[in-house]
Amino acid sequence: DAMVIQNPRYQVTQFGKPVTLSCSQTLNHNVMYWYQQKSSQAPKLLFHYYDKDFNNEADTPDNFQSRRPNTSFCFLDIRSPGLGDAAMYLCATSRLAGADTQYFGPGTRLTVL
Amino acid sequence: KQEVTQIPAALSVPEGENLVLNCSFTDSAIYNLQWFRQDPGKGLTSLLLIQSSQREQTSGRLNASLDKSSGRSTLYIAASQPGDSATYLCAVGGATNKLIFGTGTLLAVQP
Repeated sequence: DAMVIQNPRYQVTQFGKPVTLSCSQTLNHNVMYWYQQKSSQAPKLLFHYYDKDFNNEADTPDNFQSRRPNTSFCFLDIRSPGLGDAAMYLCATSRLAGADTQYFGPGTRLTVL
Repeated sequence: KQEVTQIPAALSVPEGENLVLNCSFTDSAIYNLQWFRQDPGKGLTSLLLIQSSQREQTSGRLNASLDKSSGRSTLYIAASQPGDSATYLCAVGGATNKLIFGTGTLLAVQP
């Protein structure tokens, strides 16, 4: 079945130790998104790619970077995780950039020790 | 700045009851509105997408309405079941499909 896959589902890292989260999709969608969802809060968009074009949200910290080497894969890099970065990280895709359904992966729960 | 509010924050109903979840947004210049379901510790499942030109969408026991001018949407769930227990999130989309989410309504359907 076509889907959005995130690995790992659970990630534990140490304060300041770089970590990479992975997202892949079999939907062949043009747009991929990364959201951060802290406990009991609404998901918040960090950035998105339309094809290879990267779009960063104004309030996304510089500590967060992203790579999209091809249509299927997108990575979220956290260069120096802090305790405040502990959250669920959600990847989503959509076929079009505007007015289109977004399909979400199961998320990666990040714990920072 | 767009703000999305969902009321109530939590709702508990007996099985079989019909219920309505509410979503309001401050800026009516939206392209679409989506309703999602989120189970504990899981990702989001899209339930319904309403384009800005539409007034409602239906899928099975779910019906979502949109009144863009008043900045409101409702999600109606008919004949609720325990399996409907989850957090329901609404999100409004702009030109770039950036979604602004509400904080959700936690629904518990009691057997």
